[in-house]
Amino acid sequence: AQSVAQPEDQVNVAEGNPLTVKCTYSVSGNPYLFWYVQYPNRGLQFLLKYITGDNLVKGSYGFEAEFNKSQTSFHLKKPSALVSDSALYFCAVRDVMVENFVFGPGTRLSVLP
Amino acid sequence: EAGVTQFPSHSVIEKGQTVTLRCDPISGHDNLYWYRRVMGKEIKFLLHFVKESKQDESGMPNNRFLAERTGGTYSTLKVQPAELEDSGVYFCASSQARLANTDTQYFGPGTRLTVL
Repeated sequence: AQSVAQPEDQVNVAEGNPLTVKCTYSVSGNPYLFWYVQYPNRGLQFLLKYITGDNLVKGSYGFEAEFNKSQTSFHLKKPSALVSDSALYFCAVRDVMVENFVFGPGTRLSVLP
Repeated sequence: EAGVTQFPSHSVIEKGQTVTLRCDPISGHDNLYWYRRVMGKEIKFLLHFVKESKQDESGMPNNRFLAERTGGTYSTLKVQPAELEDSGVYFCASSQARLANTDTQYFGPGTRLTVL
């Protein structure tokens, strides 16, 4: 069975500092990994995805994520956090056999000015 | 291009009543998904339409939930009768490609359902 873990409920970072939101996954086959962000009173917005190829994936708003197969991780990163990055972040996984997402529980990111 | 829209944004009903949620996917998207997030927990898959057909409804919690997608356009999710544990945020998503494993799903803003 597929599963996704986001070990931190909350991440606090100062504006201008680098940020990392962690995600680990478990699938039976090759993983397809996604990050979504939910701003207050908004739906989930797509940030980036890893399907195949380069392990470092670049996405929207300056975010990137690194796929690490040996550690089964797909951590979301940004070199310099903005206050406007404060939101709820969800990691999600699919594999070749299943079309629907399995989501992690979400991590709330707070960027402090 | 309009995104995925959902109606209503909020619904407050009493236990035992009926509620119908609506989702309009992005035009041209054959795949339509329903998910829900209950009590701040994980977002859970409910079901998947390809055009008007139910491709996968393995996540539907019980027979109080009925989803339809008339003509392969918009979809409705009816809860009848509603129970307290049905409270949560119901998300709809759509994607274009038939081989949907790698395709990006675009989500609507969600409907927050509160059952009292």
